[in-house]
Amino acid sequence: AQTVTQSQPEMSVQEAETVTLSCTYDTSESDYYLFWYKQPPSRQMILVIRQEAYKQQNATENRFSVNFQKAAKSFSLKISDSQLGDAAMYFCAYRSYRAGSYQLTFGKGTKLSVIP
Amino acid sequence: NAGVMQNPRHLVRRRGQEARLRCSPMKGHSHVYWYRQLPEEGLKFMVYLQKENIIDESGMPKERFSAEFPKEGPSILRIQQVVRGDSAAYFCASSRLGDEAFFGQGTRLTVV
Repeated sequence: AQTVTQSQPEMSVQEAETVTLSCTYDTSESDYYLFWYKQPPSRQMILVIRQEAYKQQNATENRFSVNFQKAAKSFSLKISDSQLGDAAMYFCAYRSYRAGSYQLTFGKGTKLSVIP
Repeated sequence: NAGVMQNPRHLVRRRGQEARLRCSPMKGHSHVYWYRQLPEEGLKFMVYLQKENIIDESGMPKERFSAEFPKEGPSILRIQQVVRGDSAAYFCASSRLGDEAFFGQGTRLTVV
């Protein structure tokens, strides 16, 4: 079974600064997907970024980028130029590539605070 | 194209009552997933359904919980004889086969 670990329960960052959220995972599979989701107080789960394990290039979406280290099973999220609206819970998630195993396995989350 | 719709948003039940949570997937999506989020926790997978089929229910408690996704109508997560420990936020997500899943806003169940 796959597991996802987020070792930082809480993080804070000054507005306009950069912050990195950590995530490690354990799997015996070679093909899979990794995701970062944002959950603001509204509880809506919002996909921030996704990474396919077979792609060596790190995914980027505007101010959000990842550092994917497949051998180390590490998948960190970097938020640049942090904004007040970035304050939320962030969840790292794993999804298998195997047919019939499309459910997500989530970490426990990191609560990000943005200081004005 | 409306997103994944869950209702109700909030549900209060007394211990021993039944809770029915509904999820209407996005148009064109035939795969539905249910997750449970306890306070201060991440989402935990419960069940994966395709129209009229349960694909994987490995995360469902063995008793009192059931789920269905009929040919017509929304997916239903049913909890019989609710207990205080069932209080949580329940999320539904939908997708096309193998594609990215989109989440609903969740149903917060409170058992009093």
